[in-house]
Amino acid sequence: GDSVTQMEGPVTLSEEAFLTINCTYTATGYPSLFWYVQYPGEGLQLLLKATKADDKGSNKGFEATYRKETTSFHLEKGSVQVSDSAVYFCALLGAPGRRALTFGSGTRLQVQP
Amino acid sequence: GAVVSQHPSRVICKSGTSVKIECRSLDFQATTMFWYRQFPKQSLMLMATSNEGSKATYEQGVEKDKFLINHASLTLSTLTVTSAHPEDSSFYICSSHAGSSTDTQYFGPGTRLTVL
Repeated sequence: GDSVTQMEGPVTLSEEAFLTINCTYTATGYPSLFWYVQYPGEGLQLLLKATKADDKGSNKGFEATYRKETTSFHLEKGSVQVSDSAVYFCALLGAPGRRALTFGSGTRLQVQP
Repeated sequence: GAVVSQHPSRVICKSGTSVKIECRSLDFQATTMFWYRQFPKQSLMLMATSNEGSKATYEQGVEKDKFLINHASLTLSTLTVTSAHPEDSSFYICSSHAGSSTDTQYFGPGTRLTVL
């Protein structure tokens, strides 16, 4: 079945540091890939997505490229801010007809001033 | 963006009681809603898919008699945890697509259930 593996946290960075959160997936066919973010006390929000190989999703300075050859969708940001502190979830929408997401375990990011 | 609300945000109950959690789509019609469960420091696990006007589809291993789902209107789905036990304590999250063609889901803020 479909699965998503992402790096364990917590990840602690200083402000303006470079961020990478690794995500790899297993799926049949051609899934759509997503990054969701959960700020403290709030629900999950879509951060970015990519629907086919080599697509790059981007939003709020975050980027992720759909790499079919390595089955990866790593999240990156060049300069993190304290306000980026949150839990980040990698997810996929896989099997045809299945409209529910398969999530990774989440990675907590803490950015220190 | 589309908004999904959940009520209550937190609930504490005694073992053996039933708890109902509501999930509402506030500015769109949701023919399908999803119910997830999230354990501490773990991922969201899909419990069931709630379909308006028909029976919910449960994931393997989820007891449908214990987790009753009702999706009586296009804006409301409810999850009732029947005869709750401490092992049912968890964070329950609902989500929905805003329309049939989009692959983007909108999530409620979640409900923290604690069973004593």
